[in-house]
Amino acid sequence: DAGVIQSPRHEVTEMGQEVTLRCKPISGHDYLFWYRQTMMRGLELLIYFNNNVPIDDSGMPEDRFSAKMPNASFSTLKIQPSEPRDSAVYFCASSLVGGAKNIQYFGAGTRLSVL
Amino acid sequence: EDQVTQSPEALRLQEGESSSLNCSYTVSGLRGLFWYRQDPGKGPEFLFTLYSAGEEKEKERLKATLTKKESFLHITAPKPEDSATYLCAVQGTGGYQKVTFGTGTKLQVIP
Repeated sequence: DAGVIQSPRHEVTEMGQEVTLRCKPISGHDYLFWYRQTMMRGLELLIYFNNNVPIDDSGMPEDRFSAKMPNASFSTLKIQPSEPRDSAVYFCASSLVGGAKNIQYFGAGTRLSVL
Repeated sequence: EDQVTQSPEALRLQEGESSSLNCSYTVSGLRGLFWYRQDPGKGPEFLFTLYSAGEEKEKERLKATLTKKESFLHITAPKPEDSATYLCAVQGTGGYQKVTFGTGTKLQVIP
């Protein structure tokens, strides 16, 4: 398997623009997680899905953030409108509960810069 | 709320100089404690899972141990390729599949 695939790898946008980050989890995994990583706060969980259903979105910072998982092989994280403080690296991870003991496998991340 | 504190924030070692990284945690019922390695520009990569106090896991020069309040990642005779940020994370029984990460220890091994 190619692992968790995220796109784009880098995104530079201007304040107020809409940003969409994409994730393809490992085939067969039933959980998908979105994280944000900054130097100050480390790795923060934003939202996670089980079998395409959002389970916990308490980490989503504001209504400007939304996430969807229309099918088992694709998820998006959208920021609208974007602000400079959203600049961070966003990671997607997937896991298989009951498989390799809940190990989360991470993608390479999307580095977002909002100017 | 689950909490993870890692120390030190950064560690610089000479090649061959053994040391330990610390991870202190508070969790409402431990389901698992995880160690990950993260290289610059990449996502975290899984190393170990520990489930109960007294458990130990080893992989090459790395050894992870667990007590009821903390975990240690021991690095024996490190090499420059061990340079990375090491992340500790916990999964409690209260948050189902939710995992809480620490901010990591950035390790640099100098030849």
